[in-house]
This record gives sequence, structure tokens and C-alpha cells, in this order.
Amino acid sequence: QKEVEQDPGPLSVPEGAIVSLNCTYSNSAFQYFMWYRQYSRKGPELLMYTYSSGNKEDGRFTAQVDKSSKYISLFIRDSQPSDSATYLCAMSDAGGGNKLTFGTGTQLKVEL
Amino acid sequence: DSGVTQTPKHLITATGQRVTLRCSPRSGDLSVYWYQQSLDQGLQFLIQYYNGEERAKGNILERFSAQQFPDLHSELNLSSLELGDSALYFCASSPWERDTGELFFGEGSRLTVL
Repeated sequence: QKEVEQDPGPLSVPEGAIVSLNCTYSNSAFQYFMWYRQYSRKGPELLMYTYSSGNKEDGRFTAQVDKSSKYISLFIRDSQPSDSATYLCAMSDAGGGNKLTFGTGTQLKVEL
Repeated sequence: DSGVTQTPKHLITATGQRVTLRCSPRSGDLSVYWYQQSLDQGLQFLIQYYNGEERAKGNILERFSAQQFPDLHSELNLSSLELGDSALYFCASSPWERDTGELFFGEGSRLTVL
């Protein structure tokens, strides 16, 4: 079983929809949680960063972490065609530095 | 543009061969990371260097090796290549040795082993 599980999709939604992306994990030592966005033929870029449990909002994006359930989510409000990409969750433990453990990514397509 | 440069962008080679992938980190970043991305495994951490010294190792095969040079660029050497080594290889950089923040990824080197 992988340390981080992520539904690969693809997920197709109409423009303006609210998108929910999720990851579950098994390693209780993970404390730092990130969401990266990867466009086709590009490298991943950091979208959201969260420490421990709680919510974080940045514009149309909200990241949630529930450590008790070992579950993290990324919500995208008012989704746009430009949000079409693969979304990767990533996490690390306190001693792991930037040795990140990634999910396999969820492919999102936002249609006009 | 993340500021991380990787060459070559594409590489096709045969089994048993050896290749070298090159990475130039963002200006001022001392840490360089190598990740392998395959369809079934996702992004897997291979190795980290900080200011020329190896700092962390992931599931890097013995056939693979890396180094970081005094000018901070890094090279990943892959030898005795097998079909299963076909993947996207990403380099990432960050300013510090141990932080839990942002990694800046290059656009990757796509390796195809025939």
C-alpha cells in the first residue's frame, strides 16, 4: 500500500463549478502538507502549503488538513479552464525537510 | 518559469547505455533535489544535495548516481539502463538545506529507453 493515496481521475467539471480534490495518507509522522499543480509538459509548481491540521485559503483555493483522519483536501471555487492540470498532493514529516512524498496526482479538466 | 534549467529535455537511448542529466538550480539556491516521475509510481524522491554534499537519499538505484558541483549545478548519471528506467526526471531546488516549504521544479528530462 502506498503511503499517500490519490484518486487519479480524470475529473471533468463545467466552468464555475466547485472542485474537491483529496488525498489520504498512512504515515502519522507527516506534518507538512502541500498541493502542487502540474500543467502538461511542465514541472510541478507549489499551489498551497499547510502545516498540521486546519484550513488555509488563498483566493479561489482552500486547503484542508484533518490529521485525525489522515485526510487532506483542496477546494477550487469558481473553477476556470486555466485550472485544467494535474494536482499532486505532497507531504513530509518534521525531519524530512523537502524530501516530499507525493500522491500520484488527479487530472482535472474544466470545460467551457 | 521556475528558474531551474534542465537539459536535455528529451533523450532516447538503448538498454545498457549510460546517460547524464544536467540541472542548474535557481540563482542562490543551495539545495538540489532529483525526482523520478513515472505513470504508475508518480513522483519519487531520488536524492538531495546541499552545497555540494549529499544530504538525503530516497529509493535511488545503485545504477544511478548524482553529484553537485562547486558552481551548484547538479548531474544525475543513469547507467546500465533498463526499459523500466523510462520516465520523467525532475530537478528541483530550494534555498536551504532543511525546510518544509517550496520546491522549484524544472521542466524535466524525458528519458526513453528502447
